[in-house]
Amino acid sequence: DTGVSQDPRHKITKRGQNVTFRCDPISEHNRLYWYRQTLGQGPEFLTYFQNEAQLEKSRLLSDRFSAERPKGSFSTLEIQRTEQGDSAMYLCASSPGTSEYNEQFFGPGTRLTVL
Amino acid sequence: AQSVAQPEDQVNVAEGNPLTVKCTYSVSGNPYLFWYVQYPNRGLQFLLKYITGDNLVKGSYGFEAEFNKSQTSFHLKKPSALVSDSALYFCAVRSMNTGFQKLVFGTGTRLLVSP
Repeated sequence: DTGVSQDPRHKITKRGQNVTFRCDPISEHNRLYWYRQTLGQGPEFLTYFQNEAQLEKSRLLSDRFSAERPKGSFSTLEIQRTEQGDSAMYLCASSPGTSEYNEQFFGPGTRLTVL
Repeated sequence: AQSVAQPEDQVNVAEGNPLTVKCTYSVSGNPYLFWYVQYPNRGLQFLLKYITGDNLVKGSYGFEAEFNKSQTSFHLKKPSALVSDSALYFCAVRSMNTGFQKLVFGTGTRLLVSP
């Protein structure tokens, strides 16, 4: 299966620690997205990359959050000084750049628990 | 701002019966509408989308959805439910007017199909 992969699948950390998540999109997909999903809610958009350029950021992405996609392939999402409110499922998605109407393909997510 | 409402937290249906999962949307400009399904410990899976054209859209696993512009609805349907259809279903919308690449999701509807 060559779908979107995310690592790690689960992360437990203590408040105040930094965490980093990785997303590997489907090969040849030049668009990559990060979403956050809390219990009982739908995913909420965080940020979007086209190749290595970060083109859109949500107001949810506070200055403790940073995302990169340095070579236009995999992406990392870092959360500094984690807070209990950061506990959520972090989802990555990718889509091809062939059309503005392509659907997004989601990875399995990284579940973050901040103690 | 664009938004999606899924008025039912849960839908219960007997296997073999038709099912409907409701979705209404609010968006400036033309809507681009999507349905995704989420199984436990798995990522969101794309079911179908409406971009333009025929109001009845057919998708994966026998699902279909009907776009109704006057009622701003995009209800998901299936003529005969299977127990394996039990999952969490999300409706989502994108618009050219507000961050086109961003998907805005509803809160989800849990579908339970009983044998």
